[in-house]
Amino acid sequence: GAGVSQSPSNKVTEKGKDVELRCDPISGHTALYWYRQSLGQGLEFLIYFQGNSAPDKSGLPSDRFSAERTGGSVSTLTIQRTQQEDSAVYLCASSLTDYGYTFGSGTRLTVV
Amino acid sequence: AQTVTQSQPEMSVQEAETVTLSCTYDTSESDYYLFWYKQPPSRQMILVIRQEAYKQQNATENRFSVNFQKAAKSFSLKISDSQLGDAAMYFCAFDGNSGYALNFGKGTSLLVTP
Repeated sequence: GAGVSQSPSNKVTEKGKDVELRCDPISGHTALYWYRQSLGQGLEFLIYFQGNSAPDKSGLPSDRFSAERTGGSVSTLTIQRTQQEDSAVYLCASSLTDYGYTFGSGTRLTVV
Repeated sequence: AQTVTQSQPEMSVQEAETVTLSCTYDTSESDYYLFWYKQPPSRQMILVIRQEAYKQQNATENRFSVNFQKAAKSFSLKISDSQLGDAAMYFCAFDGNSGYALNFGKGTSLLVTP
């Protein structure tokens, strides 16, 4: 597609449930990033995939968070046993060079 | 680790006037990239302007320009002839060459009044 696509746009889940968030990057972009944006806050780095290299998971806040990227394209961010503090907008971005990232519109996750 | 600081949580400007948003950063690298992103209520992060550290000339994109002071580690964004559509959150971001992801400031909320 022409842009970075994220689904679902909004997700409401019960505390303790698992959720999966999907990111479909721009075709050909080798790098893919996940960020979390809590209400009124900046962007918190979560995880970074670059080509076939091992992902940089240094930003994942706990072992309840994991992500994978299949075939160097689509990525899924999984949050297990969701907590209320996980409520945030999860943004995905992809890039090819250092020209800057292209972001998706994000998934707003609400844990009730 | 690099840090990016935006000291102005909120700014206000009248339509057609000029406003400057501040950003400072801390790094030991000499070659890097700096960005300003705009985030309207739609949540979509939009790249406004990009600056390469090795270029002394300040980047300009139409009504948007930057004042890049490498020695001072300052990267401010100037918006000229402000328009109602400029109202949004603006984020300053740093991208080093060490393979790490973009590092963002906490953002400045810009209000444009008629």
